[in-house]
Amino acid sequence: QKEVEQDPGPLSVPEGAIVSLNCTYSNSAFQYFMWYRQYSRKGPELLMYTYSSGNKEDGRFTAQVDKSSKYISLFIRDSQPSDSATYLCALRDNFNKFYFGSGTKLNVKP
Amino acid sequence: EAGVAQSPRYKIIEKRQSVAFWCNPISGHATLYWYQQILGQGPKLLIQFQNNGVVDDSQLPKDRFSAERLKGVDSTLKIQPAKLEDSAVYLCASRRTGSTDTQYFGPGTRLTVL
Repeated sequence: QKEVEQDPGPLSVPEGAIVSLNCTYSNSAFQYFMWYRQYSRKGPELLMYTYSSGNKEDGRFTAQVDKSSKYISLFIRDSQPSDSATYLCALRDNFNKFYFGSGTKLNVKP
Repeated sequence: EAGVAQSPRYKIIEKRQSVAFWCNPISGHATLYWYQQILGQGPKLLIQFQNNGVVDDSQLPKDRFSAERLKGVDSTLKIQPAKLEDSAVYLCASRRTGSTDTQYFGPGTRLTVL
């Protein structure tokens, strides 16, 4: 079983839609949760970072963590064509080692 | 603040040749990571340094891959000899040492092995 499971998509939505991206994980020791955005031929860019259960909002982005269910989500409101990218969830253990999902490719159509 | 720098950005080599990648982390970041990202997959950790010491290299194919971080700043990752399956993007990331600090990535080096 992989440490982190993420639906690879691709996910195609119309501009303005609400997007929901999800990951599940197996190790309850993970305490730090991140979402990275990766444009084609670029390095991953940190989007959201949280270390507690609940919601964290930043502009059009909301990260949600449910530690009891081992489930994390990223919501994008009013999606834009510029949001088209691959979104990677990442979790960090207490040894500062990061585990990544396989990434979900999102396409927002104008 | 300058980001993580990597070079070269692209490299094409024949199998069995050797190749080296360079990374300069964000100033003051003690932890440095090298990842391998195969097309369509998430980054896979190859090696993690804390200053100039190795913290985790359990997934580094040591028969062909080597990495060093002299003086606890810049790092190089070498592959010798390269195989076709080494074609991937090699990402470097760095992180400060605070408990809540996360990592930041460089642009990556895209390696093609023919």
